[in-house]
Amino acid sequence: EAQVTQNPRYLITVTGKKLTVTCSQNMNHEYMSWYRQDPGLGLRQIYYSMNVEVTDKGDVPEGYKVSRKEKRNFPLILESPSPNQTSLYFCASSLIQGANEQFFGPGTRLTVL
Amino acid sequence: GEDVEQSLFLSVREGDSSVINCTYTDSSSTYLYWYKQEPGAGLQLLTYIFSNMDMKQDQRLTVLLNKKDKHLSLRIADTQTGDSAIYFCAESFTGGGNKLTFGTGTQLKVEL
Repeated sequence: EAQVTQNPRYLITVTGKKLTVTCSQNMNHEYMSWYRQDPGLGLRQIYYSMNVEVTDKGDVPEGYKVSRKEKRNFPLILESPSPNQTSLYFCASSLIQGANEQFFGPGTRLTVL
Repeated sequence: GEDVEQSLFLSVREGDSSVINCTYTDSSSTYLYWYKQEPGAGLQLLTYIFSNMDMKQDQRLTVLLNKKDKHLSLRIADTQTGDSAIYFCAESFTGGGNKLTFGTGTQLKVEL
């Protein structure tokens, strides 16, 4: 089944404790992206990647890192999480060409205390 | 700059039509999309329209695009309780790569 998976689905952590949210897709998509969803703000892009070893900042990259060592994986790293990073995070992937139908993962709800 | 706006809530009765509206500011949009988010789930693409089209119909869904007014709408005919969800419009634009700019989402509630 074609899908985007994220782990963990739920995470409660404390300020300053490094964490990684994994994202994997099995559709051989070149493009992958991370969004955060906050009430009243819709989805905002954090980072994106056009292909292996090619990453770039989105609209709200502060406090986050990403890597793209393999085509299928695009982990999101919070080196020192803070309470303002409490949010719902989505990973998405798509082909580069065409209508850009982005496939979304199920989301990771992160709470930073 | 890019800005996509939607009303926050819409309530309809089962069997009626729902119309969800969206306005955007970037005139270089290439595609405009409607995504559906059910509770506890990710976003699912419902439909999209290329920016040189005025209308697209797909079963119960009709998308209307008024490029002059930068207005996009999604009409759901014969709305069912299973249509209750948050609906996001989004745009991609020339020179923006694959980036999507999302609206704030409209919560659709379908009442019996």
